[in-house]
Amino acid sequence: NAGVTQTPKFQVLKTGQSMTLQCAQDMNHEYMSWYRQDPGMGLRLIHYSVGAGITDQGEVPNGYNVSRSTTEDFPLRLLSAAPSQTSVYFCASRDSTGNSPLHFGNGTRLTVT
Amino acid sequence: AQKVTQAQTEISVVEKEDVTLDCVYETRDTTYYLFWYKQPPSGELVFLIRRNSFDEQNEISGRYSWNFQKSTSSFNFTITASQVVDSAVYFCALSEAGADSSYKLIFGSGTRLLVRP
Repeated sequence: NAGVTQTPKFQVLKTGQSMTLQCAQDMNHEYMSWYRQDPGMGLRLIHYSVGAGITDQGEVPNGYNVSRSTTEDFPLRLLSAAPSQTSVYFCASRDSTGNSPLHFGNGTRLTVT
Repeated sequence: AQKVTQAQTEISVVEKEDVTLDCVYETRDTTYYLFWYKQPPSGELVFLIRRNSFDEQNEISGRYSWNFQKSTSSFNFTITASQVVDSAVYFCALSEAGADSSYKLIFGSGTRLLVRP
């Protein structure tokens, strides 16, 4: 049981490049989400999904796309990276029981130069 | 609107001291959930506790205890006899119970705790 797995752990991009952060969970959780962590700002919700085929925006969705084709996977796409997207990204999942705790992946540290 | 405030940016204590991390929240809902997470230097986020708004009993787990007071909208976290391994960033978070709100966990900015030997 691996929990929530994020890849890659580190990534450096140049401005304008695109990439996908991968997230997979093996707990059969319906809910998945992406957060970004910036110094002094805690974690902020980017996008979330309550099940396959359903996604919605969080607090800071601009510049990011998501899709949920399977229960297990929830990739985050940066279409045209900007230095403001330099951050640590966390994927999380939980079951559908109301307000159950989030299980987090180990994070992806992204630097955009 | 929801908001979580952790006014203490950084706290430094000597090992074996007791330390309290403050968390103040804002919400218009009567039903909500409060959480604490720990982020050690290795970077992962570890769930510590969840409390719902109808349960104001304090909770103790080993050296950790939590004091939930609805009257002051606070959910403070105390570590008794702190240890070096407690050094981490601690986040308080809030979610409301509504159909859409329950999917949005709002985090405070975190408190960095340094426990010196």
